[in-house]
Amino acid sequence: GAGVSQSPSNKVTEKGKDVELRCDPISGHTALYWYRQSLGQGLEFLIYFQGNSAPDKSGLPSDRFSAERTGGSVSTLTIQRTQQEDSAVYLCASSGRGGADTQYFGPGTRLTVL
Amino acid sequence: AQRVTQPEKLLSVFKGAPVELKCNYSYSGSPELFWYVQYSRQRLQLLLRHISRESIKGFTADLNKGETSFHLKKPFAQEEDSAMYYCALSEPYDKVIFGPGTSLSVIP
Repeated sequence: GAGVSQSPSNKVTEKGKDVELRCDPISGHTALYWYRQSLGQGLEFLIYFQGNSAPDKSGLPSDRFSAERTGGSVSTLTIQRTQQEDSAVYLCASSGRGGADTQYFGPGTRLTVL
Repeated sequence: AQRVTQPEKLLSVFKGAPVELKCNYSYSGSPELFWYVQYSRQRLQLLLRHISRESIKGFTADLNKGETSFHLKKPFAQEEDSAMYYCALSEPYDKVIFGPGTSLSVIP
């Protein structure tokens, strides 16, 4: 079956604009994760969904960042009033139930804020 | 709070030499531990998990609860092992915490 997909693959935007990043998880996976991978940095946890609920939003860097998940499937990460420091690769992963289950990663969205 | 540390940001070894990527964690319960790998221009993917106690691509990792470590080892490094390696920890039905990663470079 299809793996995790993300769109767009690349996004270039101007500082101050809003962007939406989309993640399509593997069908049937209840857990969905967003991470940020900056140049030379590791994986920074952003937010985690179990179904449509987000029990842990602790990783969102600021109130400019928000995410939602609908129908227990597609998730959207929104960054408002983008800043240059938001430039990074944003990774999405899904797993069957979360926690101890294997995470399957998408290819990422490379965001560049000019 | 849960925490995963990987003390080496970069590690270079010669082909055929043994390799050990270190991972330490802090967690009060019984953690599930993983190693994920990202090869150049590929997706991040699971390499192995401690509960499986298996060897993948010649790599093994042993959970040492006393030292709170989960080091990744391979007796003879290959060029194709060059990649970014992340140690990760989770508790059931909860989020997964990744370490900062170690970039392994195998010198021919």
